[in-house]
Amino acid sequence: AQSVTQLGSHVSVSEGALVLLRCNYSSSVPPYLFWYVQYPNQGLQLLLKYTSAATLVKGINGFEAEFKKSETSFHLTKPSAHMSDAAEYFCAVSELAGSEKLVFGKGTKLTVNP
Amino acid sequence: EAGVVQSPRYKIIEKKQPVAFWCNPISGHNTLYWYLQNLGQGPELLIRYENEEAVDDSQLPKDRFSAERLKGVDSTLKIQPAELGDSAVYLCASSLGGGQNTEAFFGQGTRLTVV
Repeated sequence: AQSVTQLGSHVSVSEGALVLLRCNYSSSVPPYLFWYVQYPNQGLQLLLKYTSAATLVKGINGFEAEFKKSETSFHLTKPSAHMSDAAEYFCAVSELAGSEKLVFGKGTKLTVNP
Repeated sequence: EAGVVQSPRYKIIEKKQPVAFWCNPISGHNTLYWYLQNLGQGPELLIRYENEEAVDDSQLPKDRFSAERLKGVDSTLKIQPAELGDSAVYLCASSLGGGQNTEAFFGQGTRLTVV
């Protein structure tokens, strides 16, 4: 079975500061990993995904994530937070490269302070 | 291009009443998903369709939940009768599917409150 643990249900940063959202996974097969963002009253939007091509994955809006097999982690980072980054972020794992068998974490709510 | 459209956006019903949610996926998307998102949790898959066939409904509570996707386009998710614990956001998503490495696009969801 696959699972995802997101450390910290709430993260607060100042505008311009580094954003770091943590995700650890458990998988019995080589995983595919995803980060989604959910703005208030909106559906989820794919930020980026790891499909074994490269361990450092760049996504939209300046976000990137690094797959570290030894640490079973896929943390999401952004060098400089913007007010518009305030949202909830979900890490997900799958045994497939597509969207058919996504298992989501509980999410991390990011607050950006002026 | 229109995204995934869900209606209604909000629904309040009394317990033991029936309720239905509707989803119109992105045109051309063969795969359709219904997810349940409880407060403070990530989405959990209820059912996945490939065209009109339900290929994964293992997490759908079949005693009270049902779904259909007639003609492989729009889909309806029904709860009968609703319980207090069904209060949640119900998300619909669609993707090209067919075994391709494709992204799922999500609708805005229907927020159900059972009182």
